[in-house]
Amino acid sequence: LAKTTQPISMDSYEGQEVNITCSHNNIATNDYITWYQQFPSQGPRFIIQGYKTKVTNEVASLFIPADRKSSTLSLPRVSLSDTAVYYCLPAKDTGRRALTFGSGTRLQVQP
Amino acid sequence: NAGVTQTPKFQVLKTGQSMTLQCAQDMNHEYMSWYRQDPGMGLRLIHYSVGAGITDQGEVPNGYNVSRSTTEDFPLRLLSAAPSQTSVYFCASSWSSPNTEAFFGQGTRLTVV
Repeated sequence: LAKTTQPISMDSYEGQEVNITCSHNNIATNDYITWYQQFPSQGPRFIIQGYKTKVTNEVASLFIPADRKSSTLSLPRVSLSDTAVYYCLPAKDTGRRALTFGSGTRLQVQP
Repeated sequence: NAGVTQTPKFQVLKTGQSMTLQCAQDMNHEYMSWYRQDPGMGLRLIHYSVGAGITDQGEVPNGYNVSRSTTEDFPLRLLSAAPSQTSVYFCASSWSSPNTEAFFGQGTRLTVV
């Protein structure tokens, strides 16, 4: 399984753009990169997924360079409600059919 | 459409007791899994299932049993509760593979005294 490395924590202020980078040096060819968000006392929630280049949805953007050894989750203009833990997960299409979570990045947004 | 429903939300057990955590999904998902999350930590996979009648172990399976007799239900059984099993338990389901969006329940907070 690909091992991921993320910053343990990040601080930001409301209205700023936040970029969280995840390193996954030994990602497999058929792995997708998926990001989940978890609020306190809740289960994780899917944010975005990509394979390469750039993916954007109504919540975030995901940038994956050509070598796919890292990915960056971009949250535009964060608000207090974006305070959460963000997990980067490689997800296989074959093999183990469940997600493997690391420790995630704890984002604290301040007013 | 309720999504993934876990019961109970809270439970206190005495050491040595057994119990079953319930998980049900109404999305006709093939894949279901159980995780535990200790304070300040990420989620660790306990058991998972790729379809009715098929289960497999995750990272931390000891002390837990699962079965999958229907597509909808995936109960987690604690055989003889220990204080080390105090944790928050999450059930998840997804359509076909981990590449698709996984939906999580609200969790069961278990305390073993």
